[in-house]
Amino acid sequence: SQTIHQWPATLVQPVGSPLSLECTVEGTSNPNLYWYRQAAGRGLQLLFYSVGIGQISSEVPQNLSASRPQDRQFILSSKKLLLSDSGFYLCAWANGASGRIQFFGPGTRLTVL
Amino acid sequence: AQSVTQLGSHVSVSEGALVLLRCNYSSSVPPYLFWYVQYPNQGLQLLLKYTTGATLVKGINGFEAEFKKSETSFHLTKPSAHMSDAAEYFCAVSERGSQGNLIFGKGTKLSVKP
Repeated sequence: SQTIHQWPATLVQPVGSPLSLECTVEGTSNPNLYWYRQAAGRGLQLLFYSVGIGQISSEVPQNLSASRPQDRQFILSSKKLLLSDSGFYLCAWANGASGRIQFFGPGTRLTVL
Repeated sequence: AQSVTQLGSHVSVSEGALVLLRCNYSSSVPPYLFWYVQYPNQGLQLLLKYTTGATLVKGINGFEAEFKKSETSFHLTKPSAHMSDAAEYFCAVSERGSQGNLIFGKGTKLSVKP
């Protein structure tokens, strides 16, 4: 069966510090991978998606970036965090067999102080 | 551009009462439709989806949703609320013929009173 992992689960970082969040998927191959951010009262905002290794599409211009160094690994990064980067970050995967259903990880709670 | 509207950011019901969470989409071509549930500090879990065929879709935990093309709606219902249903619910759509990305509504937080 497929599983999706995210770490860390929680993170408190000062403004201006770097960020690296990791997402890995097990039990499936060549998935589409997604990063979402959930801020209070704003629903889910799609940040990036990837259809393959090294292929990243950005949905919202901002100081975040994403990379996919391996088929089942998706990384969200920032060089300098802003207060507005605080939120709950969710990774998700989907593939042709999932019928457009996206399966979500447990999330990372990021607080920027 | 496609949009999803969930009417009511907060809905409160009594235990045993009917749950009705509203979702409307904007496209003229019916998209794929989804409902997800999120418990506090957790990821999203799929409740149900509509792709084609029967317009009344049954999901997990006793929830169901009905696709109504004429109303561009996909409202979520449950006949009798349970305390464990307290969570946030998200409606999402995926346009047919698209790459498959989901567009989410802003969510409805359901409270269940004893």
